[in-house]
Amino acid sequence: EAAVTQSPRNKVAVTGGKVTLSCNQTNNHNNMYWYRQDTGHGLRLIHYSYGAGSTEKGDIPDGYKASRPSQENFSLILELATPSQTSVYFCASGGRRGRNTLYFGAGTRLSVL
Amino acid sequence: GDQVEQSPSALSLHEGTDSALRCNFTTTMRSVQWFRQNSRGSLISLFYLASGTKENGRLKSAFDSKERRYSTLHIRDAQLEDSGTYFCAVWTGNYKYVFGAGTRLKVIA
Repeated sequence: EAAVTQSPRNKVAVTGGKVTLSCNQTNNHNNMYWYRQDTGHGLRLIHYSYGAGSTEKGDIPDGYKASRPSQENFSLILELATPSQTSVYFCASGGRRGRNTLYFGAGTRLSVL
Repeated sequence: GDQVEQSPSALSLHEGTDSALRCNFTTTMRSVQWFRQNSRGSLISLFYLASGTKENGRLKSAFDSKERRYSTLHIRDAQLEDSGTYFCAVWTGNYKYVFGAGTRLKVIA
């Protein structure tokens, strides 16, 4: 069964600290995505990737970096975390050109104090 | 601008009743996917449609094959476990999906 695994599931960070959220998929999907979900905003796209070595800016990339070292792994990096980045983060994978279902991980709840 | 509009934004149903959720698109879309987010926050894929209809148990979804500007999700004989937030998402090209704001559904006994 298709699977997307995120770690950690919960994270508390301090303002100014570095945070790395990890995502692993066993779907062999080319495309991977990082979203954040906040009340009143729904799901917003931060970064995405269409294959190993590629990262692209989504709709709200400021304050975030991404890394796709392999087909399976996609990380979201907050170099200098701020309280405004407190949110729930979802990773997802999908096939080429949207012909495959988008699969989500369970989410990471991040609190920046 | 906003490309996906979901309605209603919130809905309460009594157990055993039927209802329909709708997703309107501001332009022609190639495909639509429906998700349910449960109380634990997990996003579960319900349907992916490039055309026509799909059915799974008490859920049925349709994608307007003519103009490709809306999709519906029908819930038959609503049960308590159907409660959650329902999202639709469309493939816009350029590797990106756009999500609607969601419909919060509460099924009451």
